[in-house]
Amino acid sequence: SQQGEEDPQALSIQEGENATMNCSYKTSINNLQWYRQNSGRGLVHLILIRSNEREKHSGRLRVTLDTSKKSSSLLITASRAADTASYFCAPEETRGSRLTFGEGTQLTVNP
Amino acid sequence: DTGVSQDPRHKITKRGQNVTFRCDPISEHNRLYWYRQTLGQGPEFLTYFQNEAQLEKSRLLSDRFSAERPKGSFSTLEIQRTEQGDSAMYLCASSFPLGQGTEAFFGQGTRLTVV
Repeated sequence: SQQGEEDPQALSIQEGENATMNCSYKTSINNLQWYRQNSGRGLVHLILIRSNEREKHSGRLRVTLDTSKKSSSLLITASRAADTASYFCAPEETRGSRLTFGEGTQLTVNP
Repeated sequence: DTGVSQDPRHKITKRGQNVTFRCDPISEHNRLYWYRQTLGQGPEFLTYFQNEAQLEKSRLLSDRFSAERPKGSFSTLEIQRTEQGDSAMYLCASSFPLGQGTEAFFGQGTRLTVV
C-alpha cells in the first residue's frame, strides 16, 4: 500500500490563524482520511473524503481532494492552542488492504 | 465498548527479555492492525488480521515478532529477545474492512523501552 506524504513537515502559527496542510499520494484511491495525534497518544480520525468528493467540511476543518493531481489539503480555521498536534493523511488505495501513514505535519499553535 | 484498549500502557524491559502486549479492539470490528511508531515518525505498519486470520505481515517484522488473534477477538504482539532498537510506541487499531469508507480507531498505544 502507498502512504501519503504530508507537507510541510512542521508548521508554526499564532492562535486564530488558519493552518493548511497538504498531502500527496501516488495511485488510485477509494478515499483519503486525515488523522490527528497528540504527543504520546494514539491517532484520532478527523475526516474522510471519498474519491468522488471534492470538498468536505467538519466544524473548523475543511478538506479538499484533487484526484487529478493526487493531492489533498486539510485546512483548520481559527486555530487554537489545543490544535497543536501531528496530522497525518492516509490514502486508501482502490486495491488496498490497510492504511499507511507518512511522517505527518507537526502543527504548533502559539497562544 | 468504549474503544480500542491496549495493555500495558508502558513497559520497561531489559535487553534480551521477551515482552507481550495485548489489544482489545472494538467488538464489531473484524480488522485489527498493529503499527510501530518512533519519535518524530509516522506509524509504521507491522501486521493486520481479518477475524483470526493474519493476512499481511510487514517485511520489517523480524522473526522475533509474532502476533496472534485467537478467535478473532483480542490480539497479542510478542517480541522475543528484545533489542534496544525495539524501543517504540506500539499502536493497535481496529476497523471494518477497508473499501467500506470507514475509519480506523486507534488505541492509546504501549510504549516500550528496552534498557
